[in-house]
Amino acid sequence: GAVVSQHPSRVICKSGTSVKIECRSLDFQATTMFWYRQFPKKSLMLMATSNEGSKATYEQGVEKDKFLINHASLTLSTLTVTSAHPEDSSFYICSALGQTLAKNIQYFGAGTRLSVL
Amino acid sequence: GQNIDQPTEMTATEGAIVQINCTYQTSGFNGLFWYQQHAGEAPTFLSYNVLDGLEEKGRFSSFLSRSKGYSYLLLKELQMKDSASYLCAVTRGSTLGRLYFGRGTQLTVWP
Repeated sequence: GAVVSQHPSRVICKSGTSVKIECRSLDFQATTMFWYRQFPKKSLMLMATSNEGSKATYEQGVEKDKFLINHASLTLSTLTVTSAHPEDSSFYICSALGQTLAKNIQYFGAGTRLSVL
Repeated sequence: GQNIDQPTEMTATEGAIVQINCTYQTSGFNGLFWYQQHAGEAPTFLSYNVLDGLEEKGRFSSFLSRSKGYSYLLLKELQMKDSASYLCAVTRGSTLGRLYFGRGTQLTVWP
């Protein structure tokens, strides 16, 4: 099946620093990837749609200058949490749309647990 | 916006059948997904319903009624490994793939 790799799986950082999370589609090309955020016992919340070669589309209420998204190739999207604060601590999950596989199916990474001290 | 509701927790015993319901209120509805998520792992795809009716796939089946804004996931012959969170998600609008999730139903299967 389709594999999406997300790195790192866990990161701890100091307040004010920036953290980059990578999302790779390993065996298929993904022109569209998505970034989600999940709080404990809460649903996954869509943050933004990452489009290869163009600007990301952010959901309402998500600060684009806070969460920088770059989708430079057909297999890689990155999310950078800039000037992280403790309230940014969360579980971040990416997904890739399998347009070359089963259409409309999203394949998810294993997530990154961010802890900001 | 969208309002997606599913029970927070459910329990069942091995070998039993369990039905997890999901109701939604959303404009521009396109389709409904069910995902399974074990703790600390990636959600994995279970089913996708666009039209009304029942989709069967092995031990898992999913039903959709667009007019009622209702779906359920049916799990048969439950196994311990089925203990997980089951996420209901809808897509809406013209952009493929934007998923809006319910908070998930934590299913515990007892021996």
